[in-house]
Amino acid sequence: GAGVSQSPSNKVTEKGKDVELRCDPISGHTALYWYRQSLGQGLEFLIYFQGNSAPDKSGLPSDRFSAERTGGSVSTLTIQRTQQEDSAVYLCATSRANSNTGELFFGEGSRLTVL
Amino acid sequence: AQSVTQLDSQVPVFEEAPVELRCNYSSSVSVYLFWYVQYPNQGLQLLLKYLSGSTLVKGINGFEAEFNKSQTSFPLRKPSVHISDTAEYFCAVPSSNDYKLSFGAGTTVTVRA
Repeated sequence: GAGVSQSPSNKVTEKGKDVELRCDPISGHTALYWYRQSLGQGLEFLIYFQGNSAPDKSGLPSDRFSAERTGGSVSTLTIQRTQQEDSAVYLCATSRANSNTGELFFGEGSRLTVL
Repeated sequence: AQSVTQLDSQVPVFEEAPVELRCNYSSSVSVYLFWYVQYPNQGLQLLLKYLSGSTLVKGINGFEAEFNKSQTSFPLRKPSVHISDTAEYFCAVPSSNDYKLSFGAGTTVTVRA
């Protein structure tokens, strides 16, 4: 497709289970971001990938969170031993280059509910 | 680190009325500012951005924003809203001199007939 694709769109899991969220970027976009959107909290930066450079993981809230980007394309965000406070919408965004003046293109998000 | 504050969490407005959403930023250096919109059950999309030049920036769907350095504000305005403008609006600024956008908490606009 032409846009950023995220899957699953909705995920309900039990506390303590692991989950994987996937992001397919727009072709040719070298920068990829994960954000977390919690009710009334705005968007929280999690992690950033740019080409083959080491990712910026400074926003990951705990060591239960990890992400990878294979071949500079698809990215997977993994949350281990999920907790109820992990419930949120996880948004992936991509852009053409490493720039703070460019536009981010967002996917529709993966809504995670931890019971 | 640069940040933005959106002063209104909820803004109800009648159709065809004007709307203004407030955004204040904190920065002592050159500022780039963005407004994004999130329609129900969708991802965010760029409404407009200020990088330099004219302080009045026009975006999509009839929205505009004005960069005000003295008041450190970047309010979003539309003179006449439609039902379809019902959405959440986010103000954003790069966190420092890098690429990460820092978003405000968002303002939910509900347009009623």
